[in-house]
Amino acid sequence: DADVTQTPRNRITKTGKRIMLECSQTKGHDRMYWYRQDPGLGLQLIYYSFDVKDINKGEISDGYSVSRQAQAKFSLSLESAIPNQTALYFCATSEGLAIDTQYFGPGTRLTVL
Amino acid sequence: QKEVEQNSGPLSVPEGAIASLNCTYSDRGSQSFFWYRQYSGKSPELIMFIYSNGDKEDGRFTAQLNKASQYVSLLIRDSQPSDSATYLCAVVSNFGNEKLTFGTGTRLTIIP
Repeated sequence: DADVTQTPRNRITKTGKRIMLECSQTKGHDRMYWYRQDPGLGLQLIYYSFDVKDINKGEISDGYSVSRQAQAKFSLSLESAIPNQTALYFCATSEGLAIDTQYFGPGTRLTVL
Repeated sequence: QKEVEQNSGPLSVPEGAIASLNCTYSDRGSQSFFWYRQYSGKSPELIMFIYSNGDKEDGRFTAQLNKASQYVSLLIRDSQPSDSATYLCAVVSNFGNEKLTFGTGTRLTIIP
């Protein structure tokens, strides 16, 4: 089984709809991250959490919110989706060491019409 | 100026040759440097990290770091068609915060 899973893998929704992307991990890592990737723009950090009680905004948090329900679960919500939120979304985890590897989930391809 | 810059490519290299991928970063306080490989439509996977000046080798891959020049590179020896992917450079710019800042990636194509 994959260590970092994301659901759904693909989603098409309409402008104005609320949508939640979910991330679960079995790696036992404290740190979790949400990124979006757009063609030619690389990975941009949306939100990150260093433990269940710690939530931090990343570079592009406007229009997004998150919930860290447990050490293993980190959800990303789009309260009112808009077309320019169409992108590939990745969840990642890390142990939290000074030299650290981030492990990525398989991604969710979101299309907002 | 972007915090982490890479040439977007595409970079085409003949099979068996050395592929050289470059990355520059703006924060002199950067501590750790990572190279990720991403196949089209897939998630990034770590190839190597480096944090000391000099070279670090792992199989066909060599990472090179020059902190004075704020430059990190990845060399791929004996390039194979399976090396065709986008390579992302990532930097931990704020020690103690451990946030990765990614470059936009270089698309590498190995020509058989």
